[in-house]
Amino acid sequence: QLQLQESGPGLVKPSETLSLTCTVSGGSISSSSYYWGWIRQPPGKGLECIGIIYYSGSAYYNPSLKSRVTISVDTSKNQFSLKLSSVTAADTAVYYCARRLRATGDAFDIWGQGTMVTVSS
Amino acid sequence: QSVLTQPPSVSAAPGQRVTISCSGSSSNIGNYYVSWYQHLPGTAPKLLIYGNNQRPSGIPDRFSASKSGTSATLGITGLQTGDEADYYCETWDSSLSAAVFGGGTQLTVL
Repeated sequence: QLQLQESGPGLVKPSETLSLTCTVSGGSISSSSYYWGWIRQPPGKGLECIGIIYYSGSAYYNPSLKSRVTISVDTSKNQFSLKLSSVTAADTAVYYCARRLRATGDAFDIWGQGTMVTVSS
Repeated sequence: QSVLTQPPSVSAAPGQRVTISCSGSSSNIGNYYVSWYQHLPGTAPKLLIYGNNQRPSGIPDRFSASKSGTSATLGITGLQTGDEADYYCETWDSSLSAAVFGGGTQLTVL
């Protein structure tokens, strides 16, 4: 059964870069049937999609974050990663990685457990 | 503020039926599949509906959904206290070239 697991620092200083990795197990990230995405939820707020990436490297980003976000994929490690630069307290959130169905319903069907990232000095 | 509009909260008694609306536009709901998620505190969101009205395996038929024009609706029948959660609609937006979520609806089972 496919599983996703987020990893990375739980505390990041303001103005620095937040870096998270999602490791995919039980299946291949190189499948043509899926995208892979990052979603976050700030405390007390709703879900926000940061962006999605295809195994080829094609990525789509939330316009409100686009200038600060890079999502990349490493097929050899079956991982994809998130980098968010120049973070502020507003980037404090639970960050989830998820698999997104492609052309068969377009939904995030499998999610990681999530990881809390706090931006603070 | 999300491009998809959901009511902040809904409530109903156990055993009753509730609906949650999600309103968008032609750049999102009007031309793309809608999905729905259940989110309990401290857990990962769970996919309830994909492709406008399809249930993944393991999701009971108490959960149903429909789409008409630029709006979508999630329905839950036979409400249980365990259904208390936040519910989100989600779709693709061609103007933003991004997946977008509604603001979320908190369901209270009285």
